Amino acid sequence: DSGVTQTPKHLITATGQRVTLRCSPRSGDLSVYWYQQSLDQGLQFLIQYYNGEERAKGNILERFSAQQFPDLHSELNLSSLELGDSALYFCASSPGTGLTLLYGYTFGSGTRLTVV
Amino acid sequence: DAKTTQPTSMDCAEGRAANLPCNHSTISGNEYVYWYRQIHSQGPQYIIHGLKNNETNEMASLIITEDRKSSTLILPHATLRDTAVYYCIVRDHSPSSGSARQLTFGSGTQLTVLP
Repeated sequence: DSGVTQTPKHLITATGQRVTLRCSPRSGDLSVYWYQQSLDQGLQFLIQYYNGEERAKGNILERFSAQQFPDLHSELNLSSLELGDSALYFCASSPGTGLTLLYGYTFGSGTRLTVV
Repeated sequence: DAKTTQPTSMDCAEGRAANLPCNHSTISGNEYVYWYRQIHSQGPQYIIHGLKNNETNEMASLIITEDRKSSTLILPHATLRDTAVYYCIVRDHSPSSGSARQLTFGSGTQLTVLP
């Protein structure tokens, strides 16, 4: 157990639908990062939140959005789903401060999304 | 963050040392070298990181050249469970790098440990 919890582990949904992926960061970590990994593809950074505020955006589609709540858990919302959105979605957390050097980045076990 | 170059794939015999190279010729003074691995479809797992000195932990050793333009991750006694994609990542930790501190993953090296 890495300390980063992602739910659900698996999700199957139809095209056009909307889903929400949840991430609870490691205790004490203020930063949350979302990544997408399509089949046989690398890990693509989507978005980062730090203590409730968006801090960096990567290759995130407009149909996707995220937020980080006061208790520091984060949700990634994917809407108008397409077949190509089928992927593994990983959440990572870090202290988000200088302590990141000491404690590093911890990844969750991911959510496997299948769009049919 | 500086770009890294790694071989696409490598094989290693079980019980032997696995030496995974990484080139980061444009690395700057405040950039650290990180190594992560991803065992099939699992979340990336932290291995080790360093700035300029060689580092060792219970999983691996990291050798960084004196000019810091390349590094080698060493798994001293590879096992079948070490079969994974290994990522070498360079990350700037200077205050001027801002609060956006994500790790950027490349293609990595597929290490296959053979019985």
